Amino acid sequence: QVQLQEAGPGLVKPSETLSLTCSVSNSSFIGHFWSWIRQSPGKGLEWIGSIYLNKPPLYKPSLKSRLSMSLDMSRSEISLQVASVTAADTAVYYCARSDSLPGSFDNWGLGTLVTVSS
Amino acid sequence: QSALTQPASVTGSLGQSITISCTGTNIDIETSKIVSWYHLHPGKAPRLVIYDVSERPSGVSGRFSGSMSGNVASITISGLQIEDEGDYFCSSSGDADSGIWVFGEGTKVTVL
Repeated sequence: QVQLQEAGPGLVKPSETLSLTCSVSNSSFIGHFWSWIRQSPGKGLEWIGSIYLNKPPLYKPSLKSRLSMSLDMSRSEISLQVASVTAADTAVYYCARSDSLPGSFDNWGLGTLVTVSS
Repeated sequence: QSALTQPASVTGSLGQSITISCTGTNIDIETSKIVSWYHLHPGKAPRLVIYDVSERPSGVSGRFSGSMSGNVASITISGLQIEDEGDYFCSSSGDADSGIWVFGEGTKVTVL
């Protein structure tokens, strides 16, 4: 079945850049949108951004200036970078797949916890 | 700004039914009919349980059903099981401020 697995540094210092990857197994990239969603401690889910093949990524407006997403089909990976992180970026980061935009996320990874702290 | 409002918590007994509401503010979910529900359980990947208001993905128990009345979407879980515990989030399309997707704040389900 489709598997998504996030990987990240665990701990990042304030003002640094957070880099995450999502490895995808058993799914074509064609026909699917790939998204990053996060959940801050004690809070709800927050959509961060989505990417489709080589199209320009779509980002949450309030985060757009700090985000960079990319997709590498040869490595079956989706990447996310968040620049100038603060404590507010502490969250579990999930990658997820959807068939349409907007639509439902039919496959998710387990998520990776990122803590921003000095 | 668009928002989806859910109750913070819902409790039910084994075997009973519960319903979680999701109210759209500045989001016309009644017209778009783009409402999905996700179950988050500690240690597991989030799971899609309802999409397009009332559609159930393959593999999801028939105990889960979705509906909508006006601008309020709901998910009903019948015959509550221990494994139904966790957090449930609704989502729909957002706006220029929130972006493509917006999620509710989540509802914690406890099974007694």
